[in-house]
Amino acid sequence: DAGVTQSPTHLIKTRGQQVTLRCSPKSGHDTVSWYQQALGQGPQFIFQYYEEEERQRGNFPDRFSGHQFPNYSSELNVNALLLGDSALYLCASTPSVGFNYGYTFGSGTRLTVV
Amino acid sequence: AQSVTQPDIHITVSEGASLELRCNYSYGATPYLFWYVQSPGQGLQLLLKYFSGDTLVQGIKGFEAEFKRSQSSFNLRKPSVHWSDAAEYFCAVGPYGGATNKLIFGTGTLLAVQP
Repeated sequence: DAGVTQSPTHLIKTRGQQVTLRCSPKSGHDTVSWYQQALGQGPQFIFQYYEEEERQRGNFPDRFSGHQFPNYSSELNVNALLLGDSALYLCASTPSVGFNYGYTFGSGTRLTVV
Repeated sequence: AQSVTQPDIHITVSEGASLELRCNYSYGATPYLFWYVQSPGQGLQLLLKYFSGDTLVQGIKGFEAEFKRSQSSFNLRKPSVHWSDAAEYFCAVGPYGGATNKLIFGTGTLLAVQP
């Protein structure tokens, strides 16, 4: 059983550009969360999607947006990229029923903004 | 404010020695507590979690953690460290009662293992 799958694994973008990151949750999971992990830091919560709607949002600007599809997969979009957006972006999934399983994380997408 | 503190940024232990990684949290309600491990260039792997009940929880790879409510701590331990345990370890806290909210992570402890 595949866990959480993220694509691409690495990405280099220029300041001001837009980027889309993708996530397929673990089988049986319907809730997807996105985290940003800057170098040397712990992951910071961006937002969570459930039933194709944003359910909660962390302290991130509107340049960060997302989407969840009927098959529970999700996208993270970042507009007007800044150098400070360079980070590892992690997707985590969990079942809405049975939170005892905890979150399953993907391997992340390493975004570098130059 | 909700927060997680991992006081040790970097720890070096000898292979075969015991290990304790510290975690303190500040949370206004009954928390869920987690320890995750991250190898270089990888995502996070769940080591163990505490929700309720026995305050000593067992995890994968021989790790255990003890929840001490009076000290707001959830320290991770392993009796004998293996070279493959070298990685970064993150403590996290979440809300009791559902998957609707975020996890709050500490800044991590980087573990190095000497032969």
